[in-house]
Amino acid sequence: GAGVSQSPSNKVTEKGKDVELRCDPISGHTALYWYRQRLGQGLEFLIYFQGNSAPDKSGLPSDRFSAERTGESVSTLTIQRTQQEDSAVYLCASSIGVANTEAFFGQGTRLTVV
Amino acid sequence: AQSVTQPDIHITVSEGASLELRCNYSYGATPYLFWYVQSPGQGLQLLLKYFSGDTLVQGIKGFEAEFKRSQSSFNLRKPSVHWSDAAEYFCACSSGSARQLTFGSGTQLTVLP
Repeated sequence: GAGVSQSPSNKVTEKGKDVELRCDPISGHTALYWYRQRLGQGLEFLIYFQGNSAPDKSGLPSDRFSAERTGESVSTLTIQRTQQEDSAVYLCASSIGVANTEAFFGQGTRLTVV
Repeated sequence: AQSVTQPDIHITVSEGASLELRCNYSYGATPYLFWYVQSPGQGLQLLLKYFSGDTLVQGIKGFEAEFKRSQSSFNLRKPSVHWSDAAEYFCACSSGSARQLTFGSGTQLTVLP
């Protein structure tokens, strides 16, 4: 596609349920990022994939969070046993994987845990 | 560890006034620097970027930024703000060794009529 696509755009879930968020990066982009943005706050880094290298998971806030990416394609971010504090916009971005290139962002998934 | 600081959480300016948003970075290597804008309900859009060369870079929408290595800063400027510039602005950086993009906490810009 022309840009980074994220689905769903909105998700309301009950506390304790698992959710899966999807990101389709721009074709050919080897780097993929997930960020979390709580209401009124900045971007919190979650995880970074670069090609076939081991992902940088240093930003995942707890073991309830995990992410996968197969090759240079779609990524899924999974949150298990959701809590109210998980409510946020989850942003995905991709880039061609070189440090001096920009990242392109999707529109985000707004997650609300009730 | 790399870090980006945006010291101003919220800035208010009048339409037509000049604007400067501050950004400081902490990096061991030569940084690559970016400014993004996030309008309400929108994704992040790149305004401009600095890699090397001329330390004053021009971006879209009339924005510019100046890289000052001695001050570890990359401040964003605009000579005359428009009401449509009201948004949140994020500074970010990466480096050759740490390709991960690190963001500042953002500066919310309000434009008064």
